[in-house]
Amino acid sequence: DVKVTQSSRYLVKRTGEKVFLECVQDMDHENMFWYRQDPGLGLRLIYFSYDVKMKEKGDIPEGYSVSREKKERFSLILESASTNQTSMYLCASSLDPYEQYFGPGTRLTVT
Amino acid sequence: AQSVTQLDSQVPVFEEAPVELRCNYSSSVSVYLFWYVQYPNQGLQLLLKYLSGSTLVESINGFEAEFNKSQTSFHLRKPSVHISDTAEYFCAVRATGNQFYFGTGTSLTVIP
Repeated sequence: DVKVTQSSRYLVKRTGEKVFLECVQDMDHENMFWYRQDPGLGLRLIYFSYDVKMKEKGDIPEGYSVSREKKERFSLILESASTNQTSMYLCASSLDPYEQYFGPGTRLTVT
Repeated sequence: AQSVTQLDSQVPVFEEAPVELRCNYSSSVSVYLFWYVQYPNQGLQLLLKYLSGSTLVESINGFEAEFNKSQTSFHLRKPSVHISDTAEYFCAVRATGNQFYFGTGTSLTVIP
């Protein structure tokens, strides 16, 4: 079975802190994605990557950056956390052209 | 860009009753279609998918969905729901390129 793991299930950070969310997949998938999920808004794509060191902006990249130094790892970085970035963050991976596999999510609270 | 519409944000239904969760998408090209389920405090899990072939696809727990190209729909159905089906359901579309597009979700609540 494909496994996508995220470094934390719950995270509490203060405004202005730099936050790293890590995601690792074990199936050699080319594509990896970061979404945020908010009630009533569904999933919104922040960034995705289709290869090592490659990245593409999604629908809401402002305030976020990403890093993919190795194929299995995709990191989401909040350079200076703000309260409006309090959300559930979901990582996913996929192999073209098939379905995405999701991690369990990280619920981030910024106070 | 694609768009995916799930018209019903909340669907309450009594146990053992049938249910339909609606999904429409905007696309004039070939697409791949998916339904995901999310249980409380968990990530999304694939429920079923349409890639090609038969337009009726089924999941192992009794859900089915039918791809209707002319109506650009991929509605999810189950003839008899259980309490354990209570969850959030997301419809997703993948067209050309690597991006997936998700609907806003339908919260299914099964009432005992």
